[in-house]
Amino acid sequence: KNEVEQSPQNLTAQEGEFITINCSYSVGISALHWLQQHPGGGIVSLFMLSSGKKKHGRLIATINIQEKHSSLHITASHPRDSAVYICAVKAAGNKLTFGGGTRVLVKP
Amino acid sequence: DAGITQSPRHKVTETGTPVTLRCHQTENHRYMYWYRQDPGHGLRLIHYSYGVKDTDKGEVSDGYSVSRSKTEDFLLTLESATSSQTSVYFCAISEGGRLSDTQYFGPGTRLTVL
Repeated sequence: KNEVEQSPQNLTAQEGEFITINCSYSVGISALHWLQQHPGGGIVSLFMLSSGKKKHGRLIATINIQEKHSSLHITASHPRDSAVYICAVKAAGNKLTFGGGTRVLVKP
Repeated sequence: DAGITQSPRHKVTETGTPVTLRCHQTENHRYMYWYRQDPGHGLRLIHYSYGVKDTDKGEVSDGYSVSRSKTEDFLLTLESATSSQTSVYFCAISEGGRLSDTQYFGPGTRLTVL
């Protein structure tokens, strides 16, 4: 079983819809990252969370440390939000452990 | 965008040949990382560096070596490339050493080993 599990693996939405991506992890962590990988391959860090909630534009990330769960929400989704969203946690040792990613497609 | 470049961006090589990938940063960040990304595995850490001449292994370091002789450059070497090392390689940097710090990623290098 992977230490970091994301769901769903793939998601298709219509423009304007509210999108939720989930990340569950099985180890104690000090921080959780959400990353976005564009269709061209580039990776951008969206959020780093250790507790609570963060918001940036139409993106909202939440984390529940007790339940070992984080969510990334996209409000009023737009085709330019189409990307792979990756969750990563600081696990045992000095490394990040990454989830397999959620591929999001937003149709106009 | 953080100033991170990777070279080459694409490379095709044959099994058994040596390959060196270069990561160059203009941010003067202390920490640099090499990851590989493969379908079904996500991103995995190969090696990282916490200063000039200071490096350590990640979870998939076998078959790879690294060097950092200058703050701005972090080299990844495959001494004798194998087909299992066909992958997309990403370099990343961070200002601090804690993995809770934000990491900035380079554009990636697609390596094919025939």
